[in-house]
Amino acid sequence: SAVISQKPSRDICQRGTSLTIQCQVDSQVTMMFWYRQQPGQSLTLIATANQGSEATYESGFVIDKFPISRPNLTFSTLTVSNMSPEDSSIYLCSGSNSGNTIYFGEGSWLTVV
Amino acid sequence: ELKVEQNPLFLSMQEGKNYTIYCNYSTTSDRLYWYRQDPGKSLESLFVLLSNGAVKQEGRLMASLDTKARLSTLHITAAVHDLSATYFCAVDIPGGTSYGKLTFGQGTILTVHP
Repeated sequence: SAVISQKPSRDICQRGTSLTIQCQVDSQVTMMFWYRQQPGQSLTLIATANQGSEATYESGFVIDKFPISRPNLTFSTLTVSNMSPEDSSIYLCSGSNSGNTIYFGEGSWLTVV
Repeated sequence: ELKVEQNPLFLSMQEGKNYTIYCNYSTTSDRLYWYRQDPGKSLESLFVLLSNGAVKQEGRLMASLDTKARLSTLHITAAVHDLSATYFCAVDIPGGTSYGKLTFGQGTILTVHP
């Protein structure tokens, strides 16, 4: 099994600023993904973090707002840029190899004021 | 576009009773996942269903998958208070090696009371 750690676990940010969330996996995973969970809602896929290349974004999410890096098979970052209160959410990263099990990080609780 | 729908969205159960949560999805897939989320926590993996007819059981929970009907069920037997949580089903859209790209249902908020 894989253990996924995220930093920060929680943060309160001023609107207009940017925050970078880190996701560290304790073993190599083929696929890494970033999800958003808005208050009281389900999870929505933001993008697939591709190693060494640009992330693949889902409809409604753009690179300028959510730049993602993945320099290797165990680490990825998500930046939430120019934040507004609507960005207040839980951001979760996940990792998978064969898809038999998909592991999620503990989540990063973000509040924008 | 894949859509995943759960019902019910809210479930209030008495301890000791049985109930089933349903998860319907709109596009062919043979990978379905069930997760539990407690308030203020991340997702806990419950079941991974990888083929038609798959059935898995853990304690008071049993999950099944019918890929032809595009339906999965999560059955709760003799509910206890500790099962109170939000339960999500999620469907994987296979695309080459892109396993893990999930579309989630809305979630079912389960409350078990005496």
